[in-house]
Amino acid sequence: GNSVTQMEGPVTLSEEAFLTINCTYTATGYPSLFWYVQYPGEGLQLLLKATKADDKGSNKGFEATYRKETTSFHLEKGSVQVSDSAVYFCALAAGTALIFGKGTTLSVSS
Amino acid sequence: NAGVTQTPKFRILKIGQSMTLQCTQDMNHNYMYWYRQDPGMGLKLIYYSVGAGITDKGEVPNGYNVSRSTTEDFPLRLELAAPSQTSVYFCASSARGKLDTEAFFGQGTRLTVV
Repeated sequence: GNSVTQMEGPVTLSEEAFLTINCTYTATGYPSLFWYVQYPGEGLQLLLKATKADDKGSNKGFEATYRKETTSFHLEKGSVQVSDSAVYFCALAAGTALIFGKGTTLSVSS
Repeated sequence: NAGVTQTPKFRILKIGQSMTLQCTQDMNHNYMYWYRQDPGMGLKLIYYSVGAGITDKGEVPNGYNVSRSTTEDFPLRLELAAPSQTSVYFCASSARGKLDTEAFFGQGTRLTVV
């Protein structure tokens, strides 16, 4: 079946550090892939997406590349800020719904 | 632009009580969803709807019911609350079901069953 696996958290970084959050998926066909972010006390917001292999999604300094050969969609940011502290969810579109990973909590300190 | 609005934001229920979680969207989206979020478990799909009058079960539908009488509203009903239903519930909508477009989420309802 369809599933998403992302690295366990929490991830704790200092400001301006490099961030990688790993995400791999299992799916039939070529699903669209997403990263959603959840700030404390809020709902999820779309951070970026990629709809086909080798596409790179980017937003607010975050990037992720759709790698069909490794079934991965890792999230990266070159220099994190305190305001990036949140829970990050990798997701894939399967049929009529989104399948989410378990989420990775990122905590950035100054 | 309100987007997806959920009410209430917080609720405490006693075991066996019933309640309805309200969800409304003003974006004229056909597709609507209910998810529950448990710590360390990500989001699980409860029910979804592809349009007014059409609903279908997701991954964890037991103990819940939904209806979709209008495009805007998608209420979630808990008939006999159980402690296992303690969770944060999110409603979401999207323009079409392929979901290569963005899904919009409400701010969530935190439900505690005691």
